[in-house]
Amino acid sequence: DVQMTQSPATLSASVGDSVTITCRASQSINRWLAWYQQKPGKAPKLLIYKASNLESGVPSRFSGSVSGTEFTLTISSLQPDDFATYYCQQYDSYSKTFGPGTEVEIK
Amino acid sequence: QVQLQQWGAGLLKPSETLSLTCGVSDGSFNTYFWSWLRQSPGKGLEWIGEINHRGSTKKNPSLKSRVTISIDTSKSQFSLKLTSVTAADTAVYYCARTNQFLGGVTLPRPFDFWGQGTVVTVSS
Repeated sequence: DVQMTQSPATLSASVGDSVTITCRASQSINRWLAWYQQKPGKAPKLLIYKASNLESGVPSRFSGSVSGTEFTLTISSLQPDDFATYYCQQYDSYSKTFGPGTEVEIK
Repeated sequence: QVQLQQWGAGLLKPSETLSLTCGVSDGSFNTYFWSWLRQSPGKGLEWIGEINHRGSTKKNPSLKSRVTISIDTSKSQFSLKLTSVTAADTAVYYCARTNQFLGGVTLPRPFDFWGQGTVVTVSS
């Protein structure tokens, strides 16, 4: 299986801050990476697909980038609604795998 | 807007069979793959497997021997059975839409639409 790691596990930030979450794949996944936002008691919500494509309806303050097997999710100007847990997920290999998540909490 | 509605038993005893069904609201049923996933505090988000309208399945190797995924295209529904459950199978289970099947080619896609989740607890 392709292993996905994320850092940091927890991120404390304030409204208006720009934050970056990093995800690394254990092998090449050819940009087949998605980012999700999840709030307590809800299903994950797709934000970014194919590393840097914004899903329809997702605010433009969310963006994704890639360098080799390192992927980043950036939230520019954090809003109150953005405090949640974020997961990366690869869909290149037979078994689709997720990162362990990054909780973005209010500072 | 695609809607997925899932249902099934939420409380099981060890060794019983988990059974869940997911209904899809729109006409995309025959052009996508449909997945089951689960989420537990200990293992995070885990892909269980997926099926297309032809009944072709892929399953997580770690669960493959216990998992059956089936489809009823006439009802736009797909189902999950997980046999011989233990406490380790306690989780929130989700159905979701994934890969697109277009012109005989499978296009990789993330999980873009999800069911509401079903809490499954395995306890004696």
